[in-house]
Amino acid sequence: GENVEQHPSTLSVQEGDSAVIKCTYSDSASNYFPWYKQELGKRPQLIIDIRSNVGEKKDQRIAVTLNKTAKHFSLHITETQPEDSAVYFCAASTGYALNFGKGTSLLVTP
Amino acid sequence: EAQVTQNPRYLITVTGKKLTVTCSQNMNHEYMSWYRQDPGLGLRQIYYSMNVEVTDKGDVPEGYKVSRKEKRNFPLILESPSPNQTSLYFCASSLKAATGELFFGEGSRLTVL
Repeated sequence: GENVEQHPSTLSVQEGDSAVIKCTYSDSASNYFPWYKQELGKRPQLIIDIRSNVGEKKDQRIAVTLNKTAKHFSLHITETQPEDSAVYFCAASTGYALNFGKGTSLLVTP
Repeated sequence: EAQVTQNPRYLITVTGKKLTVTCSQNMNHEYMSWYRQDPGLGLRQIYYSMNVEVTDKGDVPEGYKVSRKEKRNFPLILESPSPNQTSLYFCASSLKAATGELFFGEGSRLTVL
């Protein structure tokens, strides 16, 4: 099945700095790439997604880029705030199974 | 309120004692899925269902069964639980296929002794 690799596994930034999380996928048929945020003790929630016909998408302080040729996509968070501290998961889907990366634990220190 | 409801939220059981974790959604979603979450391993898909009576294996289906007899319900069955099935389980649903927002339940923490 689809294999999604996510890096780094942990990331610590100072408030106001930018954070970048990178993912690669193996199945060229994947066409949907969401990002989920999971706060401690909570369920994962979608924060942004991108489809294979789009190269970049932005929503306020977060943006996602997709390079289909290289099979990688990235999450960019600008002007980080302490409330951005959470575990972030990337995922890839062909429409049937949705496979997640192992997650990145982001810590934003004041 | 639109939601995915799982029960039980917490369960401690013993090896070999059959159990069922129920999952119900009230959003008329076609797609439903079960994941397990373990430290350092992220979210791994156990089974998914594209619609009623249509189920398929995910990455880690061994030791689990599912059924989808009604659109709203997607129970996860552990016929003979073992300690390696101790985990946090999430049920999730999406309007159609796995190419839209996945709504997660609150999770069920299962401990098998």
